[in-house]
Amino acid sequence: GENVEQHPSTLSVQEGDSAVIKCTYSDSASNYFPWYKQELGKRPQLIIDIRSNVGEKKDQRIAVTLNKTAKHFSLHITETQPEDSAVYFCAASNTGTASKLTFGTGTRLQVTL
Amino acid sequence: DTEVTQTPKHLVMGMTNKKSLKCEQHMGHRAMYWYKQKAKKPPELMFVYSYEKLSINESVPSRFSPECPNSSLLNLHLHALQPEDSALYLCASSPFSGQNYGYTFGSGTRLTVV
Repeated sequence: GENVEQHPSTLSVQEGDSAVIKCTYSDSASNYFPWYKQELGKRPQLIIDIRSNVGEKKDQRIAVTLNKTAKHFSLHITETQPEDSAVYFCAASNTGTASKLTFGTGTRLQVTL
Repeated sequence: DTEVTQTPKHLVMGMTNKKSLKCEQHMGHRAMYWYKQKAKKPPELMFVYSYEKLSINESVPSRFSPECPNSSLLNLHLHALQPEDSALYLCASSPFSGQNYGYTFGSGTRLTVV
């Protein structure tokens, strides 16, 4: 089955700096890679996703890149703000008879003033 | 309506109790999921329903019994749970199973087994 590794497990940045979170996946059949943000005590929320036919996608301060050859993808947050503090999960899935999303281990991002 | 609604939000149950978790969505999504999340861990898939049929069971113990009465509802029946089953139980839905779409998660039921 799919295995998704995520690094770092914790990340502390100063407000205004950039943050980068990296994930690798094992199953070459995976073709969909979403990122979720989970604030303490709340539900995971989809913040951006990328499909395998695209190398990069951007949405305001958030961007995701995908390298299919190396089987890794990354989340980039620019101009970080305190409200970006949360746990971020990457995930991977493939198209099949049932969609099964496998999550990375999570990155706790803290944005300090 | 763009939400997945889960009830109850909190549940405390004894090891001999029977209880049910409920999940509802009215987005027309045809795939629904149960995930279990322990503190500081990622969500772990338990069950996938595709077009109201169980398509994935991730070797979940039989004390957890899912049910999908219709395309909008998903239940998780609990019986004879163990304290280690205490966790946040998340329901999610997506437009189609077999297609690549992000999940919409419910707020979860925080379950404590005593």
